[in-house]
Amino acid sequence: DVKVTQSSRYLVKRTGEKVFLECVQDMDHENMFWYRQDPGLGLRLIYFSYDVKMKEKGDIPEGYSVSREKKERFSLILESASTNQTSMYLCASSLVLGKRGNQPQHFGDGTRLSIL
Amino acid sequence: AQKVTQAQTEISVVEKEDVTLDCVYETRDTTYYLFWYKQPPSGELVFLIRRNSFDEQNEISGRYSWNFQKSTSSFNFTITASQVVDSAVYFCALSEQGGKLIFGQGTELSVKP
Repeated sequence: DVKVTQSSRYLVKRTGEKVFLECVQDMDHENMFWYRQDPGLGLRLIYFSYDVKMKEKGDIPEGYSVSREKKERFSLILESASTNQTSMYLCASSLVLGKRGNQPQHFGDGTRLSIL
Repeated sequence: AQKVTQAQTEISVVEKEDVTLDCVYETRDTTYYLFWYKQPPSGELVFLIRRNSFDEQNEISGRYSWNFQKSTSSFNFTITASQVVDSAVYFCALSEQGGKLIFGQGTELSVKP
């Protein structure tokens, strides 16, 4: 079975802290993604990665960075947390098959992050 | 620009009613894929269906059915005889090159007993 694991379900941090959100998948997927989900805005893509050490900016990368040192692990980093980064963060992974986005993404349970 | 619109923010029905969730998309691509995901209160998005742009055949899976109409750029999702366990937020999504997805804003479905 497909499994995407996010390190924490709930996390509370303070403004200015450096925050790490970890995501691990066990399906040997090439693609990995980080989204944030806010009421009324759906899911918005922060960063994604096609392969180890590769990363691409999504729609809202400001204030975030990512790291992918191993194929199965994709980390999201909040360099200096701010209250407007309080949100639900979702990690996903998918296979690459052809050049079109024709493979479903598989999601983790999400991390609800609060910045105080 | 690519876009997915789910005009219904919230829907509330009584158990056993049928309910249709609307999804309208915009794309300039001739080849694309559409998806539906379910997000129950636990938070995880669960993949429900994938449809490619060349296949306009409707699909039925148990109480779920999907109506893809290219002429109106719509990919609607119907739940027949709804149940309380169907209560969730449902997202429609459109594929972009490279495996990215563009999500709609989501429709929160509440099924009351």
